[in-house]
Amino acid sequence: QSALTQPDSVSGSPGQSITLSCTGSSSDVGSYNLVSWFQQHPGKGPKLMIYEVTKRPSGVSDRFSGSKSGNTASLTISGLQAEDEADYYCCSSGGRRSFVLFGGGTKLTVL
Amino acid sequence: QVQLVQSGPEVKKPGASVKVSCKASGYDFSTYGISWVRQAPGQGLDWMGWIGVYDGHTDYAQNFQGRVTMTTDTSTTTAYMELRNLTSDDTAVYYCARDPNLYCSAGTCYPSGAFDYWGQGTLVTVSS
Repeated sequence: QSALTQPDSVSGSPGQSITLSCTGSSSDVGSYNLVSWFQQHPGKGPKLMIYEVTKRPSGVSDRFSGSKSGNTASLTISGLQAEDEADYYCCSSGGRRSFVLFGGGTKLTVL
Repeated sequence: QVQLVQSGPEVKKPGASVKVSCKASGYDFSTYGISWVRQAPGQGLDWMGWIGVYDGHTDYAQNFQGRVTMTTDTSTTTAYMELRNLTSDDTAVYYCARDPNLYCSAGTCYPSGAFDYWGQGTLVTVSS
């Protein structure tokens, strides 16, 4: 099992929309709707932002949305705000293969 | 409210073992799984394994098989992760995280990755 692939960094201006990508394989992202996204600010623990590809936990802003096409999942943040600047990690379960993979993380900079 | 409270920082010598605890409260401990995730300094998240609290079933990441043991004590709602034969590469913050058992088949649940609550993290430093 190889780690999921994420771009190292993405940047955007306040108010813009940006999309972070996460590429896996047919054994993980492509097989199950078990993709999650986590936000991590410096020195803090991860926070669940999206689960099961498109679902938002209670309390997470609706500016965050998730999608998937084939072996690639995406996280879109609309109306970018300064507080969105953080590291974002995607995660996929392998279902009955009993593994979880993380991406290497994308550093989002709000210009 | 849901809380996962982990044990304090550890300093270990190479070759030693470390056991980190994760005390859960605010929910029915047995109906969720617990995963352990670590993060080396300046690096990304690395899934170590999972334990299904209701039956004690464990699944470990290939990189840690043979070196890690995950257990739970339902009487104290505490999960434990023991890592043996430590090297400097094991220096990291170790997190426990609650898994809501979103994927179950034929009576068996599997780690879903939808970790909705996390412990505060435990820094384990391995140094001679």
